[in-house]
Order: sequence, then C-alpha cells, then structure tokens
Amino acid sequence: NFMLTQPHSVSESPGKTVTISCTGSSGSIASNYVQWYQQRPGSVPTTVIYEDNLRPSGVPDRFSGSIDSSSNSASLTISGLMPDDEADYYCQSYDSNSGVFGGGTKLTVL
Amino acid sequence: QIQLVQSGAEVKKPGASVKVSCKASGYTFTSYGISWMRQAPGQGLEWLGWISAYNRNTKYAKKIQGRVTMTTDTSTNTAYMELRSLRSDDTGVYYCARDIGQQLIRYPDSWGQGTLVTVSS
Repeated sequence: NFMLTQPHSVSESPGKTVTISCTGSSGSIASNYVQWYQQRPGSVPTTVIYEDNLRPSGVPDRFSGSIDSSSNSASLTISGLMPDDEADYYCQSYDSNSGVFGGGTKLTVL
Repeated sequence: QIQLVQSGAEVKKPGASVKVSCKASGYTFTSYGISWMRQAPGQGLEWLGWISAYNRNTKYAKKIQGRVTMTTDTSTNTAYMELRSLRSDDTGVYYCARDIGQQLIRYPDSWGQGTLVTVSS
C-alpha cells in the first residue's frame, strides 16, 4: 500500500504564509486526487481542499492546494494566517483498493 | 442538508465485537459510498474501509481485514461497521463519512459525529 508522509508540526506567526507538504511513497501522487482536512481539537474533520486544489464553499481563498509531480508531493498553503487556523491538517488520497491518510500536521499559529 | 448520525459510545471487553451504525439523510444514499475511519487517542486518522451503497462492494484495510464487516441497509439509509475480536489498540473514535465514490473508492466529503469505542477489561 502506498503511504502519505507529512511533517509532524509546523508553526508560523499570524498574517504569514505556511505550506504543509504531503509526499507519496510510491507511484505518482498525481494519479488520484488529494484532499486536505482540518481538524480542530475535539471536532470532526472538515474539508478545506478537495480534488487537489478546489475549495468547498465557505472555505476562504487563503487556503490553496497544489501538486508537484517532480517531488511526488501535494501541498496545502495557508496565507494570512489567523489564530483560528491552528489545527491538525491531514492529506488524503486513494487507489483502487484503499484510501490513505497522511499522519497529520499540527499547525501552531504563534 | 447532508447528515450522518452515528450510534452512541460503546465499552467492550477484549475479544468482544462492536457494531457501529451510521444513518444518512439529505442525499440519495445509493449514489455514494460510505467510508469508515478511526482515530486512536492523540493519534491521526486511519482509513478502515469503504462500502458502495449502490452495489455493496467493499474494500477493507489490510490491518483489520478478517475482523471487519461493513454493510448497508438501503431501506433505512443506514451503514454499519462490525469489528470483531476487539483488542485494546482498537480503542478510539470511529467515524463514518459519505464517500463521493459510488462504485470506486474516492474520498469523504461529509462526516458523522464519531463514535467512541473503548476496549478495556
């Protein structure tokens, strides 16, 4: 099974921009869509990016997603960081036999 | 609006079984799949499996294959996940979610509220 690897934690100051990476272990990460979920403590995960770079309604355009085939990775970028962005973020993808989540990245907004 | 409402918390002894339900509303149940995930205390999300509400095809994570059965009841728009031979490391919050894949695994887009399963002697 393929795996997705994320940094354990990132931190940045309010107003700045942060990027969280998600690297695929095998095959091409571009072969199937990547999603990003935000989970605040004690809450259910919610989608912030789906199908690589699309935002659900209600998600501000400060959130963006991208794919880099050369590094076999996906990225979530959050600009204009706000204290409310502090949460765990998970990338997710799938193949014909399974889904998979990255290990999660704890974002701290200092 | 789309809602997935899960059954309540469970406490089980090692070796027992648990069956979690997930009642869907607000969309055409058979046009989507249902994915199941879990989250151990302080840990990340783990994908457990997927079932097509259209044709009942299933895919299970290798880690729990042989101990898990996922089913759907289209008369009540309810999905079920049964996990057998429970161990202490099965403790966690179990989530169901609508999966946009009707006949193939894709990704969750709406989640249930979660069900805490505690396995303890």
